[in-house]
Amino acid sequence: GNSVTQMEGPVTLSEEAFLTINCTYTATGYPSLFWYVQYPGEGLQLLLKATKADDKGSNKGFEATYRKETTSFHLEKGSVQVSDSAVYFCALPLTRTNTGNQFYFGTGTSLTVIP
Amino acid sequence: DTEVTQTPKHLVMGMTNKKSLKCEQHMGHRAMYWYKQKAKKPPELMFVYSYEKLSINESVPSRFSPECPNSSLLNLHLHALQPEDSALYLCASSRQGSRDPLHFGNGTRLTVT
Repeated sequence: GNSVTQMEGPVTLSEEAFLTINCTYTATGYPSLFWYVQYPGEGLQLLLKATKADDKGSNKGFEATYRKETTSFHLEKGSVQVSDSAVYFCALPLTRTNTGNQFYFGTGTSLTVIP
Repeated sequence: DTEVTQTPKHLVMGMTNKKSLKCEQHMGHRAMYWYKQKAKKPPELMFVYSYEKLSINESVPSRFSPECPNSSLLNLHLHALQPEDSALYLCASSRQGSRDPLHFGNGTRLTVT
């Protein structure tokens, strides 16, 4: 079945540093891939997505490219801000169909950005 | 602003109480979900409703009882919970396509005393 392996945290960076959070996937076919972000005290928000190989998803300065050859979907941001402190989850749909989109979530990576 | 609204934001209940969590969405999504999230963990799927019918129950104990009164509303009825059921309960909705994302509410923080 489908699954993702996500970089363990926590990650602590200084403001304006470069961020990479690694995510690799195992999948049947070519499912869409997603990054979700969870700020303290809130639910999960969709950060970005890519629906096919070589697609690049981007939002709020974050980017991730769907790489079929390395089965990866790493999250990057060139210059992090304190407001980016949150937990980031890589996710993809499971293989069951016709019952809604059941997602497999990675373990989550906690990011803290210090001024 | 989230388009999935959950109430209440916080709930404290004793082990003999009966309470309900509520979720509402007006995006026209026909799939709705309940997830449970413990601290520092990813969300765990509990239930999936597809077109107002329960399609997935991930072996959730019967003290959790879901209900989908219509396409916009989802409830989770709680009875005789245990302290280990304390968690963040998240509602989500989505379209039916396999490439469509989940849209989450901000959750209900439940504490069972």
